[in-house]
Amino acid sequence: DIQMTQSPSSLSAYVGDRVNITCRASQNINTNLNWYQQKPGKAPKLLITVSSSLQSGVPSRFSGSGSGTQFTLTINSLQPEDFATYSCQQSYTIPRTFGQGTKVEIK
Amino acid sequence: EVQLVESGGGLVRPGGSMRLSCAASGFTFGSYAMNWVRQPPGKGLEWVSAISGRGGDTYYADAVKGRFTLSSDSSKNSVFLQMNSLRAEDAAMYYCATGNSPWFNLNGEYFHSWGQGTLVTVSS
Repeated sequence: DIQMTQSPSSLSAYVGDRVNITCRASQNINTNLNWYQQKPGKAPKLLITVSSSLQSGVPSRFSGSGSGTQFTLTINSLQPEDFATYSCQQSYTIPRTFGQGTKVEIK
Repeated sequence: EVQLVESGGGLVRPGGSMRLSCAASGFTFGSYAMNWVRQPPGKGLEWVSAISGRGGDTYYADAVKGRFTLSSDSSKNSVFLQMNSLRAEDAAMYYCATGNSPWFNLNGEYFHSWGQGTLVTVSS
């Protein structure tokens, strides 16, 4: 199985900050990498597909990049509603696997 | 608008069985593969099982293979996860999620729409 490792596991940031979350795959997954946002008590929400394609309705302050084994989710100018847990997920092989999540908290 | 409504969760004893349901609406059933993804309390997401849009192909995580069975009923626009020989480590919120095509085994697939989840507790 492909292992997905996110860093950091948690971070504290101010409103307006730029935040980067890294996701590493244990083997090459090309650009088959998706990002999800999850708020407490809610289901995950799809943000980005195939590494960098923003889902309809997702604010443009979110962006994704990377290929191969290293990927980054960037949030420019963090907003109060962005405080949540973010998870990456590979769709290169079965079983589909997720990172452990990165919790973004208010500083 | 896609809507997925899960049901069937609750408390079950170790070794017991439970059947989860996911009722789908807002799209042509069969247009998307359907998935179950679980999340133990305070932990990350884990893909559990998937069924192709036409129901002909099923896929399972190793952790549940041989114990869980996923099926679909197009007449009810629903998928069902039969869970047998439940263990403490199966306790989680179980989410139903659509794929983005009728197939599950293609590169680039993602979990597009999600239900609100149903909680499974395994305890004696």
